[in-house]
Order: sequence, then C-alpha cells, then structure tokens
Amino acid sequence: GAVVSQHPSRVICKSGTSVKIECRSLDFQATTMFWYRQFPKKSLMLMATSNEGSKATYEQGVEKDKFLINHASLTLSTLTVTSAHPEDSSFYICSASGQGASYGYTFGSGTRLTVV
Amino acid sequence: ILNVEQSPQSLHVQEGDSTNFTCSFPSSNFYALHWYRWETAKSPEALFVMTLNGDEKKKGRISATLNTKEGYSYLYIKGSQPEDSATYLCASTLDISNFGNEKLTFGTGTRLTIIP
Repeated sequence: GAVVSQHPSRVICKSGTSVKIECRSLDFQATTMFWYRQFPKKSLMLMATSNEGSKATYEQGVEKDKFLINHASLTLSTLTVTSAHPEDSSFYICSASGQGASYGYTFGSGTRLTVV
Repeated sequence: ILNVEQSPQSLHVQEGDSTNFTCSFPSSNFYALHWYRWETAKSPEALFVMTLNGDEKKKGRISATLNTKEGYSYLYIKGSQPEDSATYLCASTLDISNFGNEKLTFGTGTRLTIIP
C-alpha cells in the first residue's frame, strides 16, 4: 500500500534555531500534502496545504514565515520551523494524497519537536 | 455541532469483550466520514471512508455505521484483542468534488486499551 516516510521522528533543538521535517511518498506521487499540528489532548489541526510546484495555502492563524513549506517534487515535501521557540514544541504530522494513495490520504508517522 | 467530537476520550476494555464509540460531526455540507486507527509511533491507518446515510462497513472484527442526517458514526469492535489497543480517530470532509485534496477535520480521538 501507499507509504509516507516522515523524518525525523523526534527532534530537540535550541530556541532560535530552525528545524526541517521531511515527508516522502515512497510508492506514489503525492500531488497534495497536508501538514497538521497536534497539541496534547487536542485534535490534529491543519496548518497548511501544498500542491506540488505551488505555494502552500496556510490556515488562518498559521504564520507562513514561521512555518515554511516546500513541495518541490511529487515525492517530497518539507516543513521548516524557523527561529523555533518553546511554544512551537508540538507534534507535527503530514498527510499526502495523490494517485495510488489509499483512501485518498496517507499519513506519515509524525515528528515530536521539543524546543529548549 | 460545529466541530468533530469523539466520545469517550479513553476506554479500557477486557480482552474478549465488545465495545463501541462515537463520532459526531456537522451534518450540513457533509460529504465523507473517515475512521483511522493510530498506534503509538506509527502512521494513522485508514479503516473506513463512508459517505452514504445508513452506510455500514466492516473489516474483520471492526465495523462502522453512519447517520448523516443526525451527524454521527459509531465504530464497533467485536471480541477485543490486545492488538486493538490504539487511538481511533474520525474525521470529516465536506467537498465531494475535491476528494483527496480537501482537508480533514479531526476529532480528538478515542484511546482504547485492551486489558489482557
């Protein structure tokens, strides 16, 4: 079945540094990538949607200069948290859709970001 | 109902017992209801996608029903096994014409623990 590989699974960084999270579709073409964020005991909240080769569309309240999304190819999308602060500590997960993806959406396994 | 809501938040069930939990969603402009099974440190796994009122789907010991008029779905697990321990997420989508590119609106999940 369709697989999305997300890395890293866990990262700790210092405040003020940037962190890049990658999602790769291994066996299908991910035409659309969704990036979600989850706070403890809360639901997955959509941050942005990106289509291959286009600029990402951000949800209301999500800073696009803070969370840079690149979807330059049909198999790779990245989320860069720039100048990270402790309040950016969260769980981030991607979901891809495209031809060959099961049920239209295939998820990565998520990244736990801790900013110290 | 404005958001997708799931109950209960958590559930402990004795091995061999059957159980069920609920997902409530906005019934207006509804298109599809998704159920996912999410084990710790893994990717959410798609269980069902349902669109029609009265729809019922089954996958092994797990089944789901859908009531689009009143805005709820039930997930049933028959004869619970330890491997059923996971968080079960539901999500709704609204746009029939854009399936696969439409964002999912998630509930907070039901965390199921099977007691051996």
